Amino acid sequence: ETGVTQTPRHLVMGMTNKKSLKCEQHLGHNAMYWYKQSAKKPLELMFVYNFKEQTENNSVPSRFSPECPNSSHLFLHLHTLQPEDSALYLCASSQVSARNEQFFGPGTRLTVL
Amino acid sequence: AQTVTQSQPEMSVQEAETVTLSCTYDTSESDYYLFWYKQPPSRQMILVIRQEAYKQQNATENRFSVNFQKAAKSFSLKISDSQLGDAAMYFCAYRRGETSGSRLTFGEGTQLTVNP
Repeated sequence: ETGVTQTPRHLVMGMTNKKSLKCEQHLGHNAMYWYKQSAKKPLELMFVYNFKEQTENNSVPSRFSPECPNSSHLFLHLHTLQPEDSALYLCASSQVSARNEQFFGPGTRLTVL
Repeated sequence: AQTVTQSQPEMSVQEAETVTLSCTYDTSESDYYLFWYKQPPSRQMILVIRQEAYKQQNATENRFSVNFQKAAKSFSLKISDSQLGDAAMYFCAYRRGETSGSRLTFGEGTQLTVNP
């Protein structure tokens, strides 16, 4: 148990649905991240939040909308997704300092029909 | 832009033997950090080992050690006395230093199989 939890663990949704992924960290960290992991591709950083402020948006389509209400919680709101968005979505947290490791959650396996 | 390359999509090793996973990176920065992460079949990614670029000494964590060649921009991971639990996907990752943000750039990963 790394202290980073993600719900749901599995999600199947249609292209017209709206859903949200939730991430919670219990480690006292001040930075949180969303990554997309697709088969045969490197992990892709999507968003970075430092002290609840978004500091990076890696050219992510607007159908993905992040929300960070406090330093312990991170959401990824999904709407009108495409089948190619099917992937494992990983949340991570760390202290802001670059030398600190990122602790990852177990991920949400998303399938878009 | 920084890139990380892992040229071995798959590797296998016999239990109790030693295996080395390769990683190269490209950067113009002088201050950075390098990491090896392990992702077992359960999918929870965990840190294996970390190397600060300013340190000449190679990092070691129990059976895991790195060969950090800064001039060659190479960062290989050596696993000694391989165990069945070492079977996983291994990712090499790069992160710029303190003044340049917190982005981690990952390689494509190497799938390690440990044969009994």
